[in-house]
Amino acid sequence: SQQGEEDPQALSIQEGENATMNCSYKTSINNLQWYRQNSGRGLVHLILIRSNEREKHSGRLRVTLDTSKKSSSLLITASRAADTASYFCATDSNSGYALNFGKGTSLLVTP
Amino acid sequence: SAVISQKPSRDICQRGTSLTIQCQVDSQVTMMFWYRQQPGQSLTLIATANQGSEATYESGFVIDKFPISRPNLTFSTLTVSNMSPEDSSIYLCSVEGDGRSYNEQFFGPGTRLTVL
Repeated sequence: SQQGEEDPQALSIQEGENATMNCSYKTSINNLQWYRQNSGRGLVHLILIRSNEREKHSGRLRVTLDTSKKSSSLLITASRAADTASYFCATDSNSGYALNFGKGTSLLVTP
Repeated sequence: SAVISQKPSRDICQRGTSLTIQCQVDSQVTMMFWYRQQPGQSLTLIATANQGSEATYESGFVIDKFPISRPNLTFSTLTVSNMSPEDSSIYLCSVEGDGRSYNEQFFGPGTRLTVL
C-alpha cells in the first residue's frame, strides 16, 4: 500500500529557480529514498536518507528528513530543463525491504 | 550501483496470451522485487523474489497470474498470464543492495506492456 505522499502533485518553474518537493509518510521507517523517472522510463535512484539522519546533499540535491513530522523534502537548486521528470519518494516497510511509493511530483522546468 | 537490464523493453500483446519479462543484474543480489506502474500512477509492489525460496506476493497479486522464477542470484523472470487490457502497465524489477550500496534499491529500465 502507498505510504509516501508527495506534494505538490505538479510543479512548474523556470530554469535557474529552485524546486522543492515534499513527502509525508505514515509509519516508522528505516530509510527514505528519492527517485526520478523520465517520461515513463525506469527509476533513477537519487538519494537515500536514513532515519537517524536529518539532512543529506548530493550535487544540486538536498534532502531533509523530519521523523517527528514523518516528512521529507527534496530541494533541487539551480534547476535545468533536464530536471524535468517525475519525482517519487519511497519508504521501506517495517516488515522488510520492499518500498512503498508516493504518487509522485511532476516537475516541469522551462528554459 | 547495480546495473539492471530488462527484456523486452516493450511489447504489445493480445488478450489471453502470456508474456515473460526477464531481469538481469550485473552482480549477485539476495533480494529482487517486481513492481507494476499503471498509466499515470505510482509504483505498486507485486512480489519479492529471493533466490532459493518461493516468491512472496502482495495483497491483490497471486502466483497463478504473476508466476515468478528466481533461479540464481543475478536473474529473475516475471510472467504476466492470461493478459487483459487492465494489465497494460510498466513492469519494473529492482534489487536491494549490491554489496556496495547498502539498503539502496536500484531499478531496471522497465518493460512497457500494452494489452489489446
